Amino acid sequence: GEDVEQSLFLSVREGDSSVINCTYTDSSSTYLYWYKQEPGAGLQLLTYIFSNMDMKQDQRLTVLLNKKDKHLSLRIADTQTGDSAIYFCAEARRRGSTLGRLYFGRGTQLTVWP
Amino acid sequence: ETGVTQTPRHLVMGMTNKKSLKCEQHLGHNAMYWYKQSAKKPLELMFVYNFKEQTENNSVPSRFSPECPNSSHLFLHLHTLQPEDSALYLCASSQPGTGGYYEQYFGPGTRLTVT
Repeated sequence: GEDVEQSLFLSVREGDSSVINCTYTDSSSTYLYWYKQEPGAGLQLLTYIFSNMDMKQDQRLTVLLNKKDKHLSLRIADTQTGDSAIYFCAEARRRGSTLGRLYFGRGTQLTVWP
Repeated sequence: ETGVTQTPRHLVMGMTNKKSLKCEQHLGHNAMYWYKQSAKKPLELMFVYNFKEQTENNSVPSRFSPECPNSSHLFLHLHTLQPEDSALYLCASSQPGTGGYYEQYFGPGTRLTVT
């Protein structure tokens, strides 16, 4: 398909791990991003991964990339109530794309219960 | 603070009004973007500017008129809007490069309500 796909909702208990999944579209996409949006705010870049990597870890965040399946995931360890937000994945496509344009998924609403 | 500011943060306007949204970036970037974010819909890219030149217009109705006088400033002029235009309007900037790494930095958005 042409769209970046994400599940819309995820609920976890505080202290558990959260895994947010994303399927992107272009196997030649160079960089893939995770953004976080808190209520009433803009999108904040959380982390990114270059396409030649399989995994990237940044404190509580782990990004896994499966290029064969065009699947990206974001794992948040020890999830806290402050992690409740909408998480967007985005790809920087190479083919037929305006330079600089990112393609976003619909976002996953993460709710963390105390 | 992302280095991208937007004003106003909230705007209520009637369908016959004319108003403008402003975006300013202090990051030295060359590309700027307008997005529309509506409830229950994906983030919609409206316009892309590179070095003050418009490089993408995603079939946006003419009641939305962008202006990019320089690489640091971006405006969205609004006139005769419809209630369905009520949304959060986000501005972003980036520094595109052929290497493919061009994270976008977003402003906090303008919450627009059309009555």
